[in-house]
Amino acid sequence: SYVLTQPPSVSVAPGQTARITCGGNNIGSKSVHWYQQKPGQAPVLVVYDDSDRPSGIPERFSGSNSGNTATLTISRVEAGDEADYYCQVWDSSSDHPGVFGGGTKLTVL
Amino acid sequence: EVQLVESGGGLVQPGGSLRLSCAASGFTFSSYEMNWVRQAPGKGLEWVSYISSSGSTIYYADSVKGRFTISRDNAKNSLYLQMNSLRAEDTAVYYCARAPRYSSSGYYDYWGQGTLVTVSS
Repeated sequence: SYVLTQPPSVSVAPGQTARITCGGNNIGSKSVHWYQQKPGQAPVLVVYDDSDRPSGIPERFSGSNSGNTATLTISRVEAGDEADYYCQVWDSSSDHPGVFGGGTKLTVL
Repeated sequence: EVQLVESGGGLVQPGGSLRLSCAASGFTFSSYEMNWVRQAPGKGLEWVSYISSSGSTIYYADSVKGRFTISRDNAKNSLYLQMNSLRAEDTAVYYCARAPRYSSSGYYDYWGQGTLVTVSS
């Protein structure tokens, strides 16, 4: 089955740029989606189809996807961005197609 | 306003059964694909199961295949997850999650708040 690999943690100072990676075999050929989850809350979609943002998500959140790595970029990081972030793909070639990465804890220093 | 409200969680003994429900409102439920996603305490998200809008296509994670059954009642705007032969490793918060219409890329645009299932003796 398809595997997505994320770093367990990323730290960044307020106002700086955070980059969270999601690795997978030829992930550039798939659509990658990103979710933000704060403690005790349900996940929230922040980027879909590699780089699109749902309404209400700040432009500071952006995504890219190429080769074996997809990246969620958060510009001008704020304290409120501290959360767990998960990448996800739908592996349509599989009979168990839902796949999440292990998650990355973003810490704002 | 789109709302997904899960219910049916609780404490169950190993080997027992539980049926989760997800009540949907604020959208035409029968037109949307639905999923169950779970999260064990302190762990990451794990996709559990998918059902198409008509119920004709269903997928399961290997970890639950043969034990869990997803279903839906479009007349009642409800999604279900029948969980049998429960194990300690099934302990998790279970979320229902909607896939957007007219998209085949398989993301989840709305989530419920989750219901906690605890499997323990």
